[in-house]
Amino acid sequence: DVKVTQSSRYLVKRTGEKVFLECVQDMDHENMFWYRQDPGLGLRLIYFSYDVKMKEKGDIPEGYSVSREKKERFSLILESASTNQTSMYLCASANPGQGLYEQYFGPGTRLTVT
Amino acid sequence: DQQVKQNSPSLSVQEGRISILNCDYTNSMFDYFLWYKKYPAEGPTFLISISSIKDKNEDGRFTVFLNKSAKHLSLHIVPSQPGDSAVYFCAASVGTYKYIFGTGTRLKVLA
Repeated sequence: DVKVTQSSRYLVKRTGEKVFLECVQDMDHENMFWYRQDPGLGLRLIYFSYDVKMKEKGDIPEGYSVSREKKERFSLILESASTNQTSMYLCASANPGQGLYEQYFGPGTRLTVT
Repeated sequence: DQQVKQNSPSLSVQEGRISILNCDYTNSMFDYFLWYKKYPAEGPTFLISISSIKDKNEDGRFTVFLNKSAKHLSLHIVPSQPGDSAVYFCAASVGTYKYIFGTGTRLKVLA
C-alpha cells in the first residue's frame, strides 16, 4: 500500500513565522503535490514536483515555496505566515509513468496562524 | 473561474437507495476524470476514474458516467451504505499531471 505521511496533523503558528510542512512517500513516486483545502473552495494546487529539484507553480503559489531534495520528500514552506494561510494542507504523490493517474494523499495538516 | 463544478454541496439518501453525485466541467480538453472520497480528518482516497474515450466505468457498487457533449460527469453508488457518508470530490486533468478539483459534495446516507 502507498503511504504518504505528513509531519504534523495540527500546527499553530504566529503571524510572520516561517513554517515548514514535510511530506514523505514510500512508493518511489515521481510526482508530488501540495494542496490546500478550504470550505467551499475544494482542493487548490499550490505547487507540484515531477522530479527531484524540479517544481512547478500551481494555481495559488503566492506566499509559498517548496523544496524537493530527495525523491521521497517534498516540503512546503510558508516564508512569513499570515492569517489567510490558515487552512488544511494536503500532500499527495502519483506515478503516472505507470499509466496510473490517481494521486495518493496524506492525512493532512491543519494549520492555524494566529 | 471554476473549471470543475459540483453544484450540490450536500446530498442525503436512504440506505439501500442510489446516490447520484454530479460534476460539471467547462474545459473540453480535459481527458481524464477521477472521483475521490474524503472522511473527516483524513486525506482524500481515490475511488474511481474514467478516461475521456469512455462513457462509463464500473467498480463494484460505484459507476462513473461521462457525457462529453454535456461536459457532465456523475458518480452512482448502488446500494448506498452508511459507510459511504463522506465528502466526494471530482477532479479533471488535461494531459498533464495537474488536476483541477471540484468543491465537493457531502453525502449523508441515512440508516
